[in-house]
Amino acid sequence: GAVVSQHPSRVICKSGTSVKIECRSLDFQATTMFWYRQFPKKSLMLMATSNEGSKATYEQGVEKDKFLINHASLTLSTLTVTSAHPEDSSFYICSARIGTNEQFFGPGTRLTVL
Amino acid sequence: SQELEQSPQSLIVQEGKNLTINCTSSKTLYGLYWYKQKYGEGLIFLMMLQKGGEEKSHEKITAKLDEKKQQSSLHITASQPSHAGIYLCGALRGGYNNDMRFGAGTRLTVKP
Repeated sequence: GAVVSQHPSRVICKSGTSVKIECRSLDFQATTMFWYRQFPKKSLMLMATSNEGSKATYEQGVEKDKFLINHASLTLSTLTVTSAHPEDSSFYICSARIGTNEQFFGPGTRLTVL
Repeated sequence: SQELEQSPQSLIVQEGKNLTINCTSSKTLYGLYWYKQKYGEGLIFLMMLQKGGEEKSHEKITAKLDEKKQQSSLHITASQPSHAGIYLCGALRGGYNNDMRFGAGTRLTVKP
């Protein structure tokens, strides 16, 4: 099946710094990728939809200036958490879509902000 | 917007017992997905159901989509400790982005 990777798998940073998370589709091209956030014992919440070559679409309540998304190629989308704070600590998962219905999820990135 | 409600929120069963997890949608489902997640890990795709009345099985896990296409159930037969984890149902929202929305999840614990 299609494989989606995320890097890094875990990251710890100091408050006020920025962190970049990469999402790659390894064996297919994805014009659309999605970024989700998951708090402990909670479900996945969609943050934004990333379309190659265009601006990301953010869900209501998600600050686009804080969570910068760049979908620079058909196999790579990046999420940058700018000026991270402890409340940004979470599990971030990306997915990449093939066609209209199939989505494949990455293994997730655990961000801890001290 | 479409809401997915899962029940129960958590479930503790003795190894060898059967169990059922339900997912109810506020709107007609055009594609219902079941995933399993271990804490702190990514999602493992289990099954996708599209047609009303459809039923799929994989090993000891069976999923059904009811005729009216607004509810799905996931049934595990003779549960094992390896079945423990969080089970999530997901549905495509449709529209241009056609992103996936998830239920709150069901946390399954299987006691040996």
